[in-house]
Amino acid sequence: KQEVTQIPAALSVPEGENLVLNCSFTDSAIYNLQWFRQDPGKGLTSLLLIQSSQREQTSGRLNASLDKSSGRSTLYIAASQPGDSATYLCAVPNSNSGYALNFGKGTSLLVTP
Amino acid sequence: DVKVTQSSRYLVKRTGEKVFLECVQDMDHENMFWYRQDPGLGLRLIYFSYDVKMKEKGDIPEGYSVSREKKERFSLILESASTNQTSMYLCASSSAGLGRSTGELFFGEGSRLTVL
Repeated sequence: KQEVTQIPAALSVPEGENLVLNCSFTDSAIYNLQWFRQDPGKGLTSLLLIQSSQREQTSGRLNASLDKSSGRSTLYIAASQPGDSATYLCAVPNSNSGYALNFGKGTSLLVTP
Repeated sequence: DVKVTQSSRYLVKRTGEKVFLECVQDMDHENMFWYRQDPGLGLRLIYFSYDVKMKEKGDIPEGYSVSREKKERFSLILESASTNQTSMYLCASSSAGLGRSTGELFFGEGSRLTVL
């Protein structure tokens, strides 16, 4: 069964810092990996989708990398802002059914002014 | 703008009641999903559908059923609500991906259900 782990569970940084969030998965036979953001009490917002043939994907201040062979992905946030405070989740396709995604439990990020 | 709309943001129901959660997407997506999210347990898949009238069980289907009569609409049904079904319910949709995979996933705002 595909297991997804995110470390750290929580992170607090001062505004302006660059930071890295980590995601690891046990089954490397994946088609893609997605990163999401979730604000308290809200649904998830898609940030980046990396296909298995890609190593990186960028959107604004966000950069996600994927290393399938080692079962790892990182989300890099440059020049963090208080508005980046949220929970960040990664997800990969389920080993049994690629239609469904398995999610990590997320990293709760707090960016302080 | 792409949109997944869940009919109710907050619901309060009594034990034993039948509960309907509705979800509509306007992106002509093939795949639709229902997840529940609980503190400490994360997101868990209840059911998904990859085509009209098709459904597959996720990790925790017990106590739930689903209906997909039209491509844009996916309903989650709690036949007899129980207190352990108090949770945040999240609907999502995606286009078909490569092989048996899914494209980018888009979520609704969620439905917070409390069962008393």
